[in-house]
Amino acid sequence: QVQLVESGGGLVKPGGSLRLSCAASGFTFSDYYMTWIRQAPAKGLEWVSYITDIGKAQYYADSVKGRFTISRDNAENSLYLQMNSLRAEDTAVYYCARRRAGRFDPWGQGTLVTVSS
Amino acid sequence: QSALTQPASVSGSPGQSITISCTGTSSDIGTYNYVSWYQQHPGKAPKLIIYDVSNRPSGVSNRFSGSKSGNTASLTISGLQAEDEADYYCCSYTTTTTLDVFGTGTKVTV
Repeated sequence: QVQLVESGGGLVKPGGSLRLSCAASGFTFSDYYMTWIRQAPAKGLEWVSYITDIGKAQYYADSVKGRFTISRDNAENSLYLQMNSLRAEDTAVYYCARRRAGRFDPWGQGTLVTVSS
Repeated sequence: QSALTQPASVSGSPGQSITISCTGTSSDIGTYNYVSWYQQHPGKAPKLIIYDVSNRPSGVSNRFSGSKSGNTASLTISGLQAEDEADYYCCSYTTTTTLDVFGTGTKVTV
């Protein structure tokens, strides 16, 4: 079945870096735009970044622009999020999701990123 | 891009119907029919329950329905059940640089 599995979260100090991964299965990965969405503790959903199907274009929320980089490897059916210069306010559960016109489906189970000294 | 506006909480009794509003602008809900709704139970990932304003994915109960009027979209849950207790988020395509914007979220209590 269609499935997304994130990994790579953890505890990191302010200013540090982390790379998240999302393994896709059950669908033709290269046919879809993919997205990272995050949710801070007890907060709502925030769109972070998305990448087009063959990776030619990337878009970022203003809150992460210049610090985060989204990429994908269609041969490996994988999506990535390189996060640099991390801040306390980046603490959140990070979800990857398949994006189709106007909707996100499915979502992965999420991976927790905690930025703290 | 500001988040779409939803009521913080809505409650209802089992069997009743409730409606959650999602207010945007002419840059998002008012122009595009790419409105989606997500249900999120505590500790779980969000799940798509409505897309393109009023379409239900396969497997989603027909107790969930969506609509739109002007800059406001709505999600109605009919025949409320205990399992419907969750957080609900709307989302719309937008002409701003983010391309997608989420609502502030609504906690439904049964």
